[in-house]
Amino acid sequence: QKEVEQNSGPLSVPEGAIASLNCTYSDRGSQSFFWYRQYSGKSPELIMSIYSNGDKEDGRFTAQLNKASQYVSLLIRDSQPSDSATYLCAVNPGFQKLVFGTGTRLLVSP
Amino acid sequence: GAVVSQHPSRVICKSGTSVKIECRSLDFQATTMFWYRQFPKKSLMLMATSNEGSKATYEQGVEKDKFLINHASLTLSTLTVTSAHPEDSSFYICSARGGSGANVLTFGAGSRLTVL
Repeated sequence: QKEVEQNSGPLSVPEGAIASLNCTYSDRGSQSFFWYRQYSGKSPELIMSIYSNGDKEDGRFTAQLNKASQYVSLLIRDSQPSDSATYLCAVNPGFQKLVFGTGTRLLVSP
Repeated sequence: GAVVSQHPSRVICKSGTSVKIECRSLDFQATTMFWYRQFPKKSLMLMATSNEGSKATYEQGVEKDKFLINHASLTLSTLTVTSAHPEDSSFYICSARGGSGANVLTFGAGSRLTVL
C-alpha cells in the first residue's frame, strides 16, 4: 500500500466550478498535512497546510482533514483556468521528511 | 518569506561525467535540506536528507556513492551526480525548512538534468 494515495486524474471542471481533490494516507501517526501545486516543469509551491481535524480556509482554497479516516482533501472554489496544474498531497509521518502522493492533475476549462 | 535558490536550472552532460547542483537558503539558515527527484508525470521521491556538518541520510535504494551530498554550511547543500548515465536524467529539486514557517518546506526551482 502506498503511503500517500491520490487519483492521478485528470480532473476536469469548468471555470467557476468547485474542484475537489482527495488524498488518503497510511501512517496513522502523521501530524502534518500539506497541499502543493506544481505547474509543468516547475517545482512545487505550497498552497495550504493543515494540522488538526476539520476545515481550514484560505481565500478560494479549503483544506479538510479527517484523521480518523486518514483523509485529506482540498476544495478550490470558483476554479480558474490558471488553477490548472498538478496538486500534490504531502504528509509528514515524522522524522522531518515529507512523503508525497503522485498528484492529481486538474484541468479547468474556460 | 523563505527563499531557496537552486542552480543550475538546466544542465546537459555526457555519460560518464559528473554534475554538481547547488541549493542555497537565501534569507534563513537551513540545518537540514532535502533532495528530491521527479521523473516525468511521477511524484517527488525523497533521495536524501542533507544535514549541516554531518553525513547525509539516504533513502532506501539511493546509491550514496553515486549521489554525493555535501552540506558544508548552514546555507548551502550540494548534490553531485557522479558518472552520470542517461537513466539519471530527471528533475532534481531541493527543499529546506526555515524562516517563519519552520514546519513548512520551501522548494528550490529545480534542476533538470539531461544525460546524453
